[in-house]
Amino acid sequence: DGGITQSPKYLFRKEGQNVTLSCEQNLNHDAMYWYRQDPGQGLRLIYYSQIVNDFQKGDIAEGYSVSREKKESFPLTVTSAQKNPTAFYLCASRMTGSATNEKLFFGSGTQLSVL
Amino acid sequence: AQSVTQLGSHVSVSEGALVLLRCNYSSSVPPYLFWYVQYPNQGLQLLLKYTTGATLVKGINGFEAEFKKSETSFHLTKPSAHMSDAAEYFCAVSVWGNAGKSTFGDGTTLTVKP
Repeated sequence: DGGITQSPKYLFRKEGQNVTLSCEQNLNHDAMYWYRQDPGQGLRLIYYSQIVNDFQKGDIAEGYSVSREKKESFPLTVTSAQKNPTAFYLCASRMTGSATNEKLFFGSGTQLSVL
Repeated sequence: AQSVTQLGSHVSVSEGALVLLRCNYSSSVPPYLFWYVQYPNQGLQLLLKYTTGATLVKGINGFEAEFKKSETSFHLTKPSAHMSDAAEYFCAVSVWGNAGKSTFGDGTTLTVKP
């Protein structure tokens, strides 16, 4: 089945530690996105990538980093500089090229908590 | 810049009653509008979208929404609520040429009472 796979489902971070969230898609989508979701709030964009080896900051990029070495993969690293990392992280993707593709497909998310 | 306001963070209806979830948007150019549903500890799933054409849009699970430009609204409705509709619903807006970046509302939690 085609889709987006996020792993792990739950992740715990110790103070001062960097952690990496995985996102893999087999939908052959060009664009990929990382969103952060906090309780009672909407999704906020962290980073996005429209093409391999290129990515841009979203609204809340500080304390995060990404890479896009392969079309299928868009890992997110939460660095020690992110002082409030506890949140639900969602990866999404979409095909580009026309208005009919203006919809996002989401993974099932990773819940990150601080120990 | 674009923005979305969802009116009411919590909505409660009885099973079989009308569901109405409100969404107003702001956009300086013609918007694309979406409703997504999220079940606990899961990702978001697209219910329906408006890009161009017919302003009344039908989606999955019996939901529909109407794009009203004059009111800058895109309210979600369903004639008869089912217990399985209990979830969190997000309205989102994007515009062409903005790299597919969607701006999301804060969400509305729908509770369905038996």
